[in-house]
Amino acid sequence: GEDVEQSLFLSVREGDSSVINCTYTDSSSTYLYWYKQEPGAGLQLLTYIFSNMDMKQDQRLTVLLNKKDKHLSLRIADTQTGDSAIYFCAESLSGGYNKLIFGAGTRLAVHP
Amino acid sequence: GAVVSQHPSRVICKSGTSVKIECRSLDFQATTMFWYRQFPKQSLMLMATSNEGSKATYEQGVEKDKFLINHASLTLSTLTVTSAHPEDSSFYICSASPSDIHNSPLHFGNGTRLTVT
Repeated sequence: GEDVEQSLFLSVREGDSSVINCTYTDSSSTYLYWYKQEPGAGLQLLTYIFSNMDMKQDQRLTVLLNKKDKHLSLRIADTQTGDSAIYFCAESLSGGYNKLIFGAGTRLAVHP
Repeated sequence: GAVVSQHPSRVICKSGTSVKIECRSLDFQATTMFWYRQFPKQSLMLMATSNEGSKATYEQGVEKDKFLINHASLTLSTLTVTSAHPEDSSFYICSASPSDIHNSPLHFGNGTRLTVT
């Protein structure tokens, strides 16, 4: 079945770069997403990448996709305390229904 | 950008009562909305797909008589937790994307925290 895996925790110093990694299994996924969740809140779409792209950059965020290895990463440059949250990787299933399968989430802790 | 509004944000109810949660797309129309459930410190689990004007599609293991879904218009889906029990306490989140944009990403509401006492 479909599965998305992420490391559960990442701690970085303020100002450093953060890299959150994700692996997925559905090779026919059309889109892969990164969502951010702050405590007690819903999910905020950060960015997404189409499966025929290798990289997408949006301000401090860089997404890298290695389709051969089914590996997705999110790099946050100049990480700030406000970036502390849980980051979810998700893949859309083939079939066009836009159903997402989520990873367990990576808790990013930013310390001074 | 696409905004999804969910109401209420928090509800506490007694065991045996029913609770209705609303999900609205504020600036777009959505023929399909999705309901997720999130347990503490866990990922989101898709419960059901809400289809405007027709029956919802439930994921395996989700009781359709327990979690009633109504999608009466292109901007509103409701989830009713019937005869709630403490094990139904959870964070429920809805999502939607514009129907007229192919492969538009899903946007999520802020979630509803349900506590059943």
